[in-house]
Amino acid sequence: NAGVMQNPRHLVRRRGQEARLRCSPMKGHSHVYWYRQLPEEGLKFMVYLQKENIIDESGMPKERFSAEFPKEGPSILRIQQVVRGDSAAYFCASSPEGDGYTFGSGTRLTVV
Amino acid sequence: DAKTTQPPSMDCAEGRAANLPCNHSTISGNEYVYWYRQIHSQGPQYIIHGLKNNETNEMASLIITEDRKSSTLILPHATLRDTAVYYCIVRVVGWGTNAGKSTFGDGTTLTVKP
Repeated sequence: NAGVMQNPRHLVRRRGQEARLRCSPMKGHSHVYWYRQLPEEGLKFMVYLQKENIIDESGMPKERFSAEFPKEGPSILRIQQVVRGDSAAYFCASSPEGDGYTFGSGTRLTVV
Repeated sequence: DAKTTQPPSMDCAEGRAANLPCNHSTISGNEYVYWYRQIHSQGPQYIIHGLKNNETNEMASLIITEDRKSSTLILPHATLRDTAVYYCIVRVVGWGTNAGKSTFGDGTTLTVKP
């Protein structure tokens, strides 16, 4: 049973481009969470999704950021018109109903 | 979410027990205490969780006070590979929208020294 898969592991984007981060949850997990970790800081919650539903997006910046978890396929975190301040590690976690998280290895986004 | 507070850093000698405290004074009755650790820049790794009873697994022990307002993670024989940032979070486990996000603080940076 593969763990939570995130890709790409490293992503470099120029300012103004779009970044798409993918997260495939563990088999049987229907809950996905995205966290952002700025350099030298802790994890900050961004969004919590279940299949085809956004449950809580209170941690998402109001502009340029969006997330989805379609019926088929991975969850996608999309950042439009990236800026240097978006450079961070983005972690995805998944869980089954009523249990703890399993985290992926993260995507390191660098905006140049 | 209930918030947690942890000391920013701790040192421990290799082979000794590491005791990492966490305060969660606003914890609700249906919230569990979870511990994770993050080694370097890897994804956080689950360690242990509990509701009100003390718990033990192959990695660690979790001691939760009777009033549930604080807990201690114990690594019984710390090794150099246990050097990491340790996060204590509280989380509703179960169905519904409350069983979702958790707030990670800045954690405790544990440095195990030879």
